[in-house]
Formats: sequence, structure tokens, C-alpha cells
Amino acid sequence: QSVLTQPPSVSAAPGQKVTISCSGSSSNIEETFVSWYQQFPGAAPKLLIYEDNVRPSGIPDRFSGSKSGTSATLDITGLQTGDEADYYCGTWDSSLSAGVFGGGTKLTVL
Amino acid sequence: QVQLVQSGADVKKPGASVKVSCKASGYTFTSYAMHWVRQAPGHSLDWMGWINPGNGNTKYSQSFQGRVTITRDTSSSTAYLELSSLTPADTAVYYCAKSKGLGSKSLDHWGQGTLVTVSS
Repeated sequence: QSVLTQPPSVSAAPGQKVTISCSGSSSNIEETFVSWYQQFPGAAPKLLIYEDNVRPSGIPDRFSGSKSGTSATLDITGLQTGDEADYYCGTWDSSLSAGVFGGGTKLTVL
Repeated sequence: QVQLVQSGADVKKPGASVKVSCKASGYTFTSYAMHWVRQAPGHSLDWMGWINPGNGNTKYSQSFQGRVTITRDTSSSTAYLELSSLTPADTAVYYCAKSKGLGSKSLDHWGQGTLVTVSS
């Protein structure tokens, strides 16, 4: 069981918007920055969002992050078939004194 | 450009140890923490620990306490992960990942991954 909770899967049509949630607690999401990672099959994860809502250079503005209390959200607008991947949230947990990740969400673009 | 190049796939018997290397280039190795994360087949990411290459300080996940050791060689800008007392449950892809900043927990560059298979 992952410390952070994500829906196992989400789906939407090309061009539409999808939201991926990440639920945690006061010892992780509420007090520490959240990151989001994209992972294609057989590849290493790639940083998509850091410090809750900041995109690294080269990440399209179709990807955006937000946080409220003990939950974080990744929004992807203008969905493309190339966005089909697994998405993970990650942060630090002060109680565990460890990095923690969500269980991952598989995005399907119908 | 930043590159993290890991050692190749390895097969180990139960009870053995494995050591995975991660050679960094394209940035100042001692200025950014290096984390290790593993991913069992079909599973999520599992944080194992990190090292401050500048002073060698480490922090490990309690899940691996006593079995994991992370070290570094600043002369070759290489970080190492050693995992002992292997069981089939340790079969996974092991990644090294550079922190975005020394105190940051965001991982902005990842190695290509090293598959470790534990089988008798």
C-alpha cells in the first residue's frame, strides 16, 4: 500500500481534460512540496511538475499542478495520444522521514 | 547536459548482495543529492534512500534499513547502491535520480534503470 493515494486509472478523449488526484496527510502533502512524474513503459520516470505547480523547462503548459491541504492534483488539458503513460505523485513524509510516492495512475486517451 | 548512466542488468541468487553504480556527468556532482528508487515489475515507485555527495551523509528508508548502503566516489562522480540479503521480492528496476537542489526532494534527472533479478 502506497502512502499517497491515486486512482489506478483515468481516461478521456483526445483534446479533453483529465484530472489526476493524489491524497496524502498532514505529514506529507500538507507540509511539503509535491512533484509529479510521467513514465512510459520501459522508460525511467520524468519530472513533470515540482514545488506543487512549477513546470521544468520543456514541459508544455498543458500540464499543471495544484495543491490544497492534504491533496494535490495534476491537470492535463488538450489530451494527446502521446500522453498515454503512468503518472506518479511524490513528496517527503516527515513522520516516516522518507520519500513517498503514490501508487500511480494509468492514463488512457480513448 | 545532465546524464546519469547506470551499470547493467544483474542476476543474483537469494542471500547474495548486489551493487549498482550510477555515473553522473554534466553538473557538479557534489552540489546535488542523489536518490535511489526502485520499481518492482508492475508496481509503483519505492524510495530507498539518498546521499549528499558533498559530505557523504546518507538517509535510508526504514523499509530497507540494515540492508541498504549508499556510497559515492567524488573522484569519478559515481554513486553506488548496495543491497544485501536479497530475496526474490527484491527483483526490480533500480533507478538513481538527481535532486533538483541539495535540499529538494524533486528528482529532475533519472538514470536509465538497472534490472536486478533475484532467482535461485
